[in-house]
Amino acid sequence: DAGVTQSPTHLIKTRGQQVTLRCSPKSGHDTVSWYQQALGQGPQFIFQYYEEEERQRGNFPDRFSGHQFPNYSSELNVNALLLGDSALYLCASSLLTDPRAGDEQFFGPGTRLTVL
Amino acid sequence: LAKTTQPISMDSYEGQEVNITCSHNNIATNDYITWYQQFPSQGPRFIIQGYKTKVTNEVASLFIPADRKSSTLSLPRVSLSDTAVYYCLVGPYNTDKLIFGTGTRLQVFP
Repeated sequence: DAGVTQSPTHLIKTRGQQVTLRCSPKSGHDTVSWYQQALGQGPQFIFQYYEEEERQRGNFPDRFSGHQFPNYSSELNVNALLLGDSALYLCASSLLTDPRAGDEQFFGPGTRLTVL
Repeated sequence: LAKTTQPISMDSYEGQEVNITCSHNNIATNDYITWYQQFPSQGPRFIIQGYKTKVTNEVASLFIPADRKSSTLSLPRVSLSDTAVYYCLVGPYNTDKLIFGTGTRLQVFP
């Protein structure tokens, strides 16, 4: 049973460029959340996708956008990259309709984005 | 949203029991307490979740006093592989978004 997978592992971009990160959720999960983790900080919630729609959003600008596909995989897009966007981007999956799930989300290994 | 306060770092030795305390003075009635573990270059991993009193699983125990203004994660007989950052989170059950603080960096020595 594959867990959450993310690609690419590492990415280097320059300011002003655009980037797309990809995530495949754990088998059987239907909800994908994205988090940004700066060095030495805890992950910060970006947004969550369920049934191909953005369900909730954290305090991130519109430069951050996403998409969820019918197979539940997801993409995170960041436009007009800034130096401050350099971080580890984490994808987490869960099963929204499972009342026993609680606050257990399954995280992928992340994509490390460096903006020069 | 309830904020949490944890020690920045802790040191321990293999075989010892480690207790990490988290303060959450303004926890709401419907909030649960959740702990995650994160190793370097990996995503966080769920450890345990509870509402009151004591919860135990195969990895850890979570102690929550009656006033719920704090909680303690207990790791029995730690090993070198328990070296990680531990996050205490407080929020509604089955919340859409997890609110992480800066966590506690636990270093286990041989």
